[in-house]
Amino acid sequence: NAGVTQTPKFRVLKTGQSMTLLCAQDMNHEYMYWYRQDPGMGLRLIHYSVGEGTTAKGEVPDGYNVSRLKKQNFLLGLESAAPSQTSVYFCASSPLTGGPHETQYFGPGTRLLVL
Amino acid sequence: GENVEQHPSTLSVQEGDSAVIKCTYSDSASNYFPWYKQELGKGPQLIIDIRSNVGEKKDQRIAVTLNKTAKHFSLHITETQPEDSAVYFCAAPSEGGADGLTFGKGTHLIIQP
Repeated sequence: NAGVTQTPKFRVLKTGQSMTLLCAQDMNHEYMYWYRQDPGMGLRLIHYSVGEGTTAKGEVPDGYNVSRLKKQNFLLGLESAAPSQTSVYFCASSPLTGGPHETQYFGPGTRLLVL
Repeated sequence: GENVEQHPSTLSVQEGDSAVIKCTYSDSASNYFPWYKQELGKGPQLIIDIRSNVGEKKDQRIAVTLNKTAKHFSLHITETQPEDSAVYFCAAPSEGGADGLTFGKGTHLIIQP
């Protein structure tokens, strides 16, 4: 099993450009999450999904959109990138049993730089 | 929402000594408290967790204690080794029905040889 994979690993954007980050998991998990990690701020939840076709807002959702069209994939979109969105983005998943109160498995992260 | 405070932000200990990291939380209804370890360039990985029906849990050299009355929980690492050097995060369930975790800001643990 590959676990949780993220694409791309690193990306540089100009202000105003758009992009989509892809997260894929092969563990048949129901729950998926997107976090951002900034120096000294820990991890903050952007959006999450409790199943295929569902999404919900987390702590810092502004400027991002998500979609969960397939159970194994969770996409994070930036419609118009801003320098404040420079960060490392982590995707995670967890099984239905226990949901978020169960082990969350994290991907390796995507480093995004917005100029 | 849930507020998780973590201390210290940096901790340096001699190899072989013990390390303790502490976290406090605000939501008295929280019932699940995981600890994650993040090595450089990697995603966080769960190392131990505790649920509110127990006060302590151990797994070899690591242990977590929970004080629900005081709303704090701690990570204890004994006989520290160089591979314990990493950033450690505590977490608690996000408040208000949101499904997710609220993380502390992390502790950079440095093991001095």
